[in-house]
Formats: sequence, C-alpha cells, structure tokens
Amino acid sequence: KQEVTQIPAALSVPEGENLVLNCSFTDSAIYNLQWFRQDPGKGLTSLLLIQSSQREQTSGRLNASLDKSSGRSTLYIAASQPGDSATYLCAVRRYGNNRLAFGKGNQVVVIP
Amino acid sequence: KAGVTQTPRYLIKTRGQQVTLSCSPISGHRSVSWYQQTPGQGLQFLFEYFSETQRNKGNFPGRFSGRQFSNSRSEMNVSTLELGDSALYLCASSLDLDRGWYNEQFFGPGTRLTVL
Repeated sequence: KQEVTQIPAALSVPEGENLVLNCSFTDSAIYNLQWFRQDPGKGLTSLLLIQSSQREQTSGRLNASLDKSSGRSTLYIAASQPGDSATYLCAVRRYGNNRLAFGKGNQVVVIP
Repeated sequence: KAGVTQTPRYLIKTRGQQVTLSCSPISGHRSVSWYQQTPGQGLQFLFEYFSETQRNKGNFPGRFSGRQFSNSRSEMNVSTLELGDSALYLCASSLDLDRGWYNEQFFGPGTRLTVL
C-alpha cells in the first residue's frame, strides 16, 4: 500500500522567504506526482504535475522536483507572499490506475 | 472553459437518511473520481468512473455507491448515514486518453456534508 508523508505538518515563514515543502512516498512505482493547493473549506487547485520520467517541473514562482528512486518530491515556492498561505498536498498515482494517494499536507502561513 | 462543478455545496442530514451528491466534470473529460476528506483521515479515494463503468474502488462500505451517466456526469450516494460520514466530498475529473496516459486531475469545490 502506498504511504505518502509530508513533513512538517505546519510551518510559518516571513514574507519574502523561500518555501521548501517535502513529500515522501514508499512505493517508487509511480506514474506521476501532482502538487495541489487547498484553501480552508475549499477544493483542491492543481499546481504542478510531474511525470515519472521527469526530474522537475516549473510554473512561475513554483518549482517541483522528483527523485523517484528515493521516493521524494520537493515543492519550492520562491519569494513567498501572504497569498501563498494555504495547505499544500502532494499526491501520487500508480501505473494503470487513476487513483491518487495523498499526503496529509503542509499547512503554510506566510507572515506579512 | 468551465471547471468541475459539484452540487449541492452544503448539506445537512440526520443519521439514517440517505444523500445524493452530483459532479459535472470538465467538458471532454471522461474519468470522474470521488474522494472523502476528513480532518483525521485526510483525503481518501472512494471510487472512479470511466465511460459509465466503475473502474476502481476504495476501501469504503457498500453504503457508498456511485454511477456515471453517458454525458460523464457522476453521482454518488450514501445510504443510512452515520455521524462519521460528515466530511468534505470532492470529485475530480481528468482527460483519459485511450492509450492510457493519465492526465492531470482537476478538482471541484466539494460538497460539505454534515450528519447530525
């Protein structure tokens, strides 16, 4: 069974600092990994999708890396802003299966 | 392009009742998945439908069921509600190509179900 872990569960950073969020998974036989953002009481917004053959993916201030062999992904958010305050979730998908296995998330607060 | 829509957004029910939630995927998307989110368990997979067929199922009791229509819209039903069914129910859609490349999944805003 795939286990996805995100540490730390919660963190606070001052505005302007770079954010580094970690995700680890136990089964390296993944098809892809997706990072999401969730605001309180809302649905999930897709941030980045990394295929298993890729090492990283970038979108604006966001960069996600993937090391499949070690079962790790890292989401970098450059120059954090108060609007980045949210919970960030990573999810992995196996080959031949559209089911996502989620971590519990990193709850981020960016302090102005 | 409209996103994934879910109705209703909020529901309050009492124990023993049943409830039906609806999800309309992004136009052209054929795969619809349902997830339950609770503070304790996080996001858990319920089931996935593709072309009106249930393709995958999570570890939930038979009280949880779903279906998909020919226009890809999906409904999930929970019968004999229990207090523990209180949760945010999210659906996700994806463009599922025949050659088996699974695209990015897009989520709806969710339905908040409260069971009293």
